[in-house]
Amino acid sequence: GAVVSQHPSWVICKSGTSVKIECRSLDFQATTMFWYRQFPKQSLMLMATSNEGSKATYEQGVEKDKFLINHASLTLSTLTVTSAHPEDSSFYICSAPTGPDSPLHFGNGTRLTVT
Amino acid sequence: QKEVEQDPGPLSVPEGAIVSLNCTYSNSAFQYFMWYRQYSRKGPELLMYTYSSGNKEDGRFTAQVDKSSKYISLFIRDSQPSDSATYLCAMSTAGGGNKLTFGTGTQLKVEL
Repeated sequence: GAVVSQHPSWVICKSGTSVKIECRSLDFQATTMFWYRQFPKQSLMLMATSNEGSKATYEQGVEKDKFLINHASLTLSTLTVTSAHPEDSSFYICSAPTGPDSPLHFGNGTRLTVT
Repeated sequence: QKEVEQDPGPLSVPEGAIVSLNCTYSNSAFQYFMWYRQYSRKGPELLMYTYSSGNKEDGRFTAQVDKSSKYISLFIRDSQPSDSATYLCAMSTAGGGNKLTFGTGTQLKVEL
């Protein structure tokens, strides 16, 4: 069964509004979670690393003020796309390792469409 | 040159065939190797996780890692239509979700 839960699975919003995506680890604690973005027919690109109790680490080229990440607890990380624009339309996927040497397990993704 | 190379396909095979999916890489520091299966509009699902060189088998799936050649493979035996998906290889220098480098994915279609 799924070990990482992501919500919502899809969302449509108007340009200029903000959207929050939640990522929860099920039955395990995740001090670190990872947020990826995937464009159609392309591979996953790491956006940022979410760290419980501290600031997120963003990859080069990812605007931290636009993609706000909060790791509120050991089982919850949120990604807020602020002032969304059509070019932010994409598939956002969160992930977490179940342990220190464990591989990443991914959520089912959130398809964001900005109109 | 990309760090991880993967043929995007599409690869079409008849039901029951043995499927071979491959990735090559350039970074000799990679130690952890993964294969994920991704259905359309879904997140990647972990299929295989291996450390260093060698083989690992799980049901119809076998993963092989040849670090000397910087080459990894995923074999699917007795392929089924339900195996139709995109298969992503991924690798990292450390475990625990340490920054993964993904291949572009190979689209597989298993036909009746």
